[in-house]
Amino acid sequence: AQSVTQPDIHITVSEGASLELRCNYSYGATPYLFWYVQSPGQGLQLLLKYFSGDTLVQGIKGFEAEFKRSQSSFNLRKPSVHWSDAAEYFCAVAYSGTYKYIFGTGTRLKVLA
Amino acid sequence: KAGVTQTPRYLIKTRGQQVTLSCSPISGHRSVSWYQQTPGQGLQFLFEYFSETQRNKGNFPGRFSGRQFSNSRSEMNVSTLELGDSALYLCASSSGGGNTDTQYFGPGTRLTVL
Repeated sequence: AQSVTQPDIHITVSEGASLELRCNYSYGATPYLFWYVQSPGQGLQLLLKYFSGDTLVQGIKGFEAEFKRSQSSFNLRKPSVHWSDAAEYFCAVAYSGTYKYIFGTGTRLKVLA
Repeated sequence: KAGVTQTPRYLIKTRGQQVTLSCSPISGHRSVSWYQQTPGQGLQFLFEYFSETQRNKGNFPGRFSGRQFSNSRSEMNVSTLELGDSALYLCASSSGGGNTDTQYFGPGTRLTVL
């Protein structure tokens, strides 16, 4: 079955520290990968996406992600976290012909001042 | 461009009632998807519409239904509400030209079933 795993439910980092959020997908077909962020009481905002080509993709707010096919991973990174980055982050995958996204369970990020 | 709008933003209903939620996509977008978000189950796909046709449906009971109008606006309906239907219902729109188009999400409708 198609699934997405975000192994870390909660992550706490200090402001200014680097961040890496993990995401793994299960299905072998070519995935289309996304990272979204959700602030409390809000909808989801797209951070970045990977369809093909360069496996390192840049997104908004200084985020980047790297697609590693051999590891079935699409980890999100940021070199220096800001207090405003505190939110919940969702990894999602889509496959050709399905017309839907499959979301991970999310990682809640807390930023210490 | 205006984003995806959802109405109402908050709803309180009682068990057994029915509810209709509305979603207006970004201008020019022809695909609308619906997701249910709960603390226990996370984000789960309900259904997707493109040009008034349902192209995919998630694993939800028949009490959950939807439709799309010719102007791409969409509604979802939940009949015979249960306590477990309390959730944030998110609508997303995309251009619909390909199934991997980027989906843009609305703020959601928070449904509370008492």
